[in-house]
Amino acid sequence: GAVVSQHPSWVICKSGTSVKIECRSLDFQATTMFWYRQFPKQSLMLMATSNEGSKATYEQGVEKDKFLINHASLTLSTLTVTSAHPEDSSFYICSAPERANYGYTFGSGTRLTVV
Amino acid sequence: QKEVEQDPGPLSVPEGAIVSLNCTYSNSAFQYFMWYRQYSRKGPELLMYTYSSGNKEDGRFTAQVDKSSKYISLFIRDSQPSDSATYLCAMSGTGRRALTFGSGTRLQVQP
Repeated sequence: GAVVSQHPSWVICKSGTSVKIECRSLDFQATTMFWYRQFPKQSLMLMATSNEGSKATYEQGVEKDKFLINHASLTLSTLTVTSAHPEDSSFYICSAPERANYGYTFGSGTRLTVV
Repeated sequence: QKEVEQDPGPLSVPEGAIVSLNCTYSNSAFQYFMWYRQYSRKGPELLMYTYSSGNKEDGRFTAQVDKSSKYISLFIRDSQPSDSATYLCAMSGTGRRALTFGSGTRLQVQP
């Protein structure tokens, strides 16, 4: 089946620094990538939708200047958390719709801790 | 009111039991319905997906969708300890839109 590889799986950073999370579609072309955030014991909340070659669409309340999304190719989308603060600590997950069927493949997630 | 409502549990059952997980939703535009399993600190894994109303079976798992009632279910037969995880329902309208998730139900299958 389709695979989305997400790195890093976990990261600890200091307040004020930036962190980049990568999601690569390994065996299919992901023209669209969805980025979610998940707080402990809560469900996935959509942050933004990225489309290859165009600007990302952000959900209401998500700061586009803080969460920079780049989707420069059909196999790579990145999320950069800029000037991270402790309240940005969360589990970030990417997802792409598969071409063969209507299933959506998820990355393995990145646990970000800002200290 | 949330678009998708799901009982958060936790739900604890003995090994071998039949498990019933449910979600209700309010958006009549939803056409695609999915169930995901998520282990702690991992990405969700697709278990079942169905289009519109009806039933779908895959091994020990059966998904049901009743669009008239805006109600979907996932049944797990002969539950195993390895089924212990959080189960998320998810749904979407037409086109490759982002999924809307339920809050997830934590399931614990006791050996």
